[in-house]
Amino acid sequence: AQSVSQHNHHVILSEAASLELGCNYSYGGTVNLFWYVQYPGQHLQLLLKYFSGDPLVKGIKGFEAEFIKSKFSFNLRKPSVQWSDTAEYFCAVNGVGKKTSYDKVIFGPGTSLSVIP
Amino acid sequence: DGGITQSPKYLFRKEGQNVTLSCEQNLNHDAMYWYRQDPGQGLRLIYYSQIVNDFQKGDIAEGYSVSREKKESFPLTVTSAQKNPTAFYLCASSISGGWVYNEQFFGPGTRLTVL
Repeated sequence: AQSVSQHNHHVILSEAASLELGCNYSYGGTVNLFWYVQYPGQHLQLLLKYFSGDPLVKGIKGFEAEFIKSKFSFNLRKPSVQWSDTAEYFCAVNGVGKKTSYDKVIFGPGTSLSVIP
Repeated sequence: DGGITQSPKYLFRKEGQNVTLSCEQNLNHDAMYWYRQDPGQGLRLIYYSQIVNDFQKGDIAEGYSVSREKKESFPLTVTSAQKNPTAFYLCASSISGGWVYNEQFFGPGTRLTVL
């Protein structure tokens, strides 16, 4: 069965610090990968996604993520965080198998990021 | 404004009572989904519907029921059979039911507390 793990439950950083949130998944085949963000009081929204091609994908607000197939990882990065990046971040994986039915997306448990001004 | 609305934002119910959570979208999306979000567990799929008048169980459907009589609406009923209903419930939609290349758009959620 597919599963997604995120390395940290809660991360606290000062503004301008660099960010890396870890995400690992278990699935042996082709995958689509996502990072979602939930800002306080706002809807869950897509930050970035990987389907194929360049394993380094760029998303909104200066975020990027790198897919390393050999490590089953899709870590999220940002070189310099801002207070407004305080949010909950979810990694999600969709295993692309035989298209006989809807392929579910599996979400990780989430990482809460607090950025201190 | 196009989007997904969920009501109410907060909901309290007594043990043994059924309760229905509303989800409406005006994005003209075919597919809709219900997730449950618990601390430290991420989002878990309860039910999904790829088209009107059709829906399928997700990973944790026991104690829940849905209907999809209209494209815009996908209400979720939490029944008294659900053993641990206190949670944050998220509704989502996507253009079509095929997941690949289809981003899911989420509503603001309903926090249900069973007293």
